[in-house]
Amino acid sequence: EVLLVESGGGLVQPGGSLRLSCAASGFTFSSYSMNWVRQAPGKGLEWVSYIRGSGSTTYYADSVKGRFTISRDNAKNSLYLEMNSLRAEDTAVYYCARDGLDFWSGHYGLFELWGQGTLVTVSS
Amino acid sequence: EIVLTQSPGTLSLSLGERATLSCRASQSVSSSNLAWYQQKPGQAPRLLIYGASTRATGIPHRFSASGSGTDFTLTISRLEPEDFAVYYCQQFGSSPLPFGGGTKVEIK
Repeated sequence: EVLLVESGGGLVQPGGSLRLSCAASGFTFSSYSMNWVRQAPGKGLEWVSYIRGSGSTTYYADSVKGRFTISRDNAKNSLYLEMNSLRAEDTAVYYCARDGLDFWSGHYGLFELWGQGTLVTVSS
Repeated sequence: EIVLTQSPGTLSLSLGERATLSCRASQSVSSSNLAWYQQKPGQAPRLLIYGASTRATGIPHRFSASGSGTDFTLTISRLEPEDFAVYYCQQFGSSPLPFGGGTKVEIK
């Protein structure tokens, strides 16, 4: 079964840090680019970050640039999001999502497979 | 930066009725780079349609999409009980990968 399972969410104080993980199974993880997408409570969807299958290319939304770092360990079939200097507005469910586009097309950001999400709450 | 505006915010329809959801872009978008997602309460979004009108794996034929330029439409030909959900449009291809604000399809 093709599956993405996020973990690592929780309550953190403003200015704090948190590391999210996403475990992939059922497909050749290294062949796919991956993304993080978030959804604030009761709100819409916001793309956060992208990483190529090899890990050599990353992109970030302006709202998290310089504070969040996306990475992956293909040997462990895992995707990560290191979040620093967290703010109240970062409170959201964070989803990892497999990209449906071939990196060589020059395009990205079609979210063809989603995990169930992990909730991050930034509050004092 | 492209902004996607979805309308209506909420659509109240009965089982078997046709649903027409709109997604309007602030500037021209290639239909090849427009996607639609469905999200049910407490669940992750699911990819429905991408490109001009390519249904994702397992998506029923009652879902279709059309449009070009700045105006795009998702149509559900005959609403089934499992179709009541929130639907999002999204531009993909390159950053910032914006989503529309969503249209909720609820049972009338």
